[in-house]
Amino acid sequence: KNQVEQSPQSLIILEGKNCTLQCNYTVSPFSNLRWYKQDTGRGPVSLTIMTFSENTKSNGRYTATLDADTKQSSLHITASQLSDSASYICVVISGSNDYKLSFGAGTTVTVRA
Amino acid sequence: NAGVTQTPKFQVLKTGQSMTLQCAQDMNHEYMSWYRQDPGMGLRLIHYSVGAGITDQGEVPNGYNVSRSTTEDFPLRLLSAAPSQTSVYFCASSYTGQGYNEQFFGPGTRLTVL
Repeated sequence: KNQVEQSPQSLIILEGKNCTLQCNYTVSPFSNLRWYKQDTGRGPVSLTIMTFSENTKSNGRYTATLDADTKQSSLHITASQLSDSASYICVVISGSNDYKLSFGAGTTVTVRA
Repeated sequence: NAGVTQTPKFQVLKTGQSMTLQCAQDMNHEYMSWYRQDPGMGLRLIHYSVGAGITDQGEVPNGYNVSRSTTEDFPLRLLSAAPSQTSVYFCASSYTGQGYNEQFFGPGTRLTVL
């Protein structure tokens, strides 16, 4: 079983609307959590990174939250644009000396005009 | 800076053939790694390197070899291709292997093994 679970698997939203993606993890010991955006046919690109002490981080219209107690994170997209159509991947980094990256399977977002 | 580059972008092999996927970075990063991405699954680590001359196995190393003769290059070799190796392969690099360093990914190589 994957230690990083993302939901929903996919979603379709209208341009201009908001959406929230979820990430639940069981990985420990926790070091930091990242959200990546992966456009079709491209490699993932980092959106946000959060450490244990941070519970909110924004990058333009993208806002990530982290609740390290419940091991949950979310990515909120505000006023979606067609260019937001992509897969969004949650990555949890664990360890203190020997780091390990655990990847979620991603949520595919389709923004329609 | 070109960042992380990968070649080829697409490749079709027959079962049993061998080939090398190329990866290069121009950011002077110590840490480089190879992942495979399959539908419905998260990226899985194949091999990684913490510096020139040092490589180690990841989560799914069987059927793959790597070497790191220079800081810039980290090729991935498929010894005898199998249909189970059909996947999209991503190379990534970061300044070091420390967890707080951002990983930069290449554009990927889509491999089909018939």
